[in-house]
Amino acid sequence: QKEVEQDPGPLSVPEGAIVSLNCTYSNSAFQYFMWYRQYSRKGPELLMYTYSSGNKEDGRFTAQVDKSSKYISLFIRDSQPSDSATYLCAMSEPGTYKYIFGTGTRLKVLA
Amino acid sequence: ETGVTQTPRHLVMGMTNKKSLKCEQHLGHNAMYWYKQSAKKPLELMFVYSLEERVENNSVPSRFSPECPNSSHLFLHLHTLQPEDSALYLCASSQDLTGESHEQYFGPGTRLTVT
Repeated sequence: QKEVEQDPGPLSVPEGAIVSLNCTYSNSAFQYFMWYRQYSRKGPELLMYTYSSGNKEDGRFTAQVDKSSKYISLFIRDSQPSDSATYLCAMSEPGTYKYIFGTGTRLKVLA
Repeated sequence: ETGVTQTPRHLVMGMTNKKSLKCEQHLGHNAMYWYKQSAKKPLELMFVYSLEERVENNSVPSRFSPECPNSSHLFLHLHTLQPEDSALYLCASSQDLTGESHEQYFGPGTRLTVT
């Protein structure tokens, strides 16, 4: 079993839809949870950085962590074609610099 | 320039060549990282430096040789690479290695092709 599982997609949605991207994990020691957006031929861009459980909102993006289910989500409201990218989740334990990444979900928002 | 920059953006090299990748961070961070990104695989951590001291060498073959002359610059020296080393090489930096300020910021990457 991989430490972090992420559906590779592609996920295609119409413009304006609410998008839900998810990752599951097996290591209950993870406390830091990150979401990155990566456009084609670019480096990953940090979108959300959360500690422990709960929700965090930033504009159209909401990150949600459910530690009891070992499940994290990124919601994108009013999705735009410019949101088309690969979204990577990453996690780490306290006291370590090692990020464990998912393989990424490719999202396509259709105009 | 802001953030994390990498040069060159694209590199094609033969298996007998020697080349170097350069990374520079303009964020005042203390830690820098090299990652390898291959298709359909998670990012692989290669090397980590904190205040110019190497703290991680993640079982990387010796044909990859990192160098960190100061906290703003990081190099990856390449020699006698194999075709399977073709990938996107990403540099990242963070304020600290651990704790509340350890979020990592990435550069645009160098797309390496080994022929």
